[in-house]
Amino acid sequence: ETGVTQTPRHLVMGMTNKKSLKCEQHLGHNAMYWYKQSAKKPLELMFVYNFKEQTENNSVPSRFSPECPNSSHLFLHLHTLQPEDSALYLCASSPTAHRGHTDTQYFGPGTRLTVL
Amino acid sequence: AQKITQTQPGMFVQEKEAVTLDCTYDTSDPSYGLFWYKQPSSGEMIFLIYQGSYDQQNATEGRYSLNFQKARKSANLVISASQLGDSAMYFCAMREGDYTGTASKLTFGTGTRLQVTL
Repeated sequence: ETGVTQTPRHLVMGMTNKKSLKCEQHLGHNAMYWYKQSAKKPLELMFVYNFKEQTENNSVPSRFSPECPNSSHLFLHLHTLQPEDSALYLCASSPTAHRGHTDTQYFGPGTRLTVL
Repeated sequence: AQKITQTQPGMFVQEKEAVTLDCTYDTSDPSYGLFWYKQPSSGEMIFLIYQGSYDQQNATEGRYSLNFQKARKSANLVISASQLGDSAMYFCAMREGDYTGTASKLTFGTGTRLQVTL
């Protein structure tokens, strides 16, 4: 596979369930990101990882727990979510920025999450 | 104040015509990057074009070009010869600062929905 893949593509869960979203990038990038896209709101950055280390947590509730075991894989563990957490969750990866090199982020297809 | 403003919630264009999607940005940092992404109904964000704040020329990628007016803080996307497959949401995004050696952060606008008609 090429690019950035995400599984599952669709997920329906109850508020008491525990589930995980998976992201894998095949681009040799060092940085990975989780974004949340709700209806009629701009894309919101949730977490940033650089070389497996978390560098950004954008005030995300603790019911979302990220994990980055290596530069190619990123997980988002979900537990006791609320209906307002229903959204499209997008993963992205990018090269680490350095002079003369564009740090363009490349996105996966997203996981559409519905919390009942 | 919003960092990225896209004032056109929706646009219509006829097939084979050109269309301009507006984007203005707000930053006091001299180093920044501007990105445009396309999001079809399937959900994936597709990178289209990039413009760096120090780039002297407007960026072009095939049918996409970026009309970069630094003094006005605008970075409009121009799509030439529109095709039916161009129908999608289009997002402008900005990375502020120099993120050398680290991961960057993007701020996105609210998007413009483009509909290409026959």
